[in-house]
Amino acid sequence: GAGVSQSPSNKVTEKGKDVELRCDPISGHTALYWYRQSLGQGLEFLIYFQGNSAPDKSGLPSDRFSAERTGGSVSTLTIQRTQQEDSAVYLCASSLLLEGNQPQHFGDGTRLSIL
Amino acid sequence: DAKTTQPTSMDCAEGRAANLPCNHSTISGNEYVYWYRQIHSQGPQYIIHGLKNNETNEMASLIITEDRKSSTLILPHATLRDTAVYYCIVRVAKKGTYKYIFGTGTRLKVLA
Repeated sequence: GAGVSQSPSNKVTEKGKDVELRCDPISGHTALYWYRQSLGQGLEFLIYFQGNSAPDKSGLPSDRFSAERTGGSVSTLTIQRTQQEDSAVYLCASSLLLEGNQPQHFGDGTRLSIL
Repeated sequence: DAKTTQPTSMDCAEGRAANLPCNHSTISGNEYVYWYRQIHSQGPQYIIHGLKNNETNEMASLIITEDRKSSTLILPHATLRDTAVYYCIVRVAKKGTYKYIFGTGTRLKVLA
């Protein structure tokens, strides 16, 4: 089915490199969310988009993290100068609307490992 | 800061009801409570959500206390495939923006 798709599913990179994680939401979903899940931990909310706009970026862990969304569809989460503590599973979700009682639909995440 | 609190782990015998509590005492009056579960290596799967009234769907029932400060997810006849980590989520509105607060999650183990 046409669920939320994330790529790559796994990414291994060296400390100091930049990485870009991609999320393709469900078609027609206006809201998009990014979360981080460290090993054995719960989900940490990072940022959400309403259309192409991210009203609050304060949940991003540091200024090395940035996110954008274009065309009300695909979103990318970019981490610059990666550090070992960035190793985690990065999950993306989308919902039909931001307002109201719309549930979020999650992808299976990108597992990022920083060597 | 807003938070949700869940027990770390629970066991349930197969075929019995699993009752998973969540405390969300700081929830505001117009925000929903959502429940998700996560099976190893997969993204969270939506189960159910509610505002004030109790809710039921094909997967589970949700009981919300009258003061809305806590809720209980009920899996009426747990199966081995229900073994997962269960999260309750609330949304917090602040200055026109939102944050999504996941609980710590309850690791439910269904025993044969």
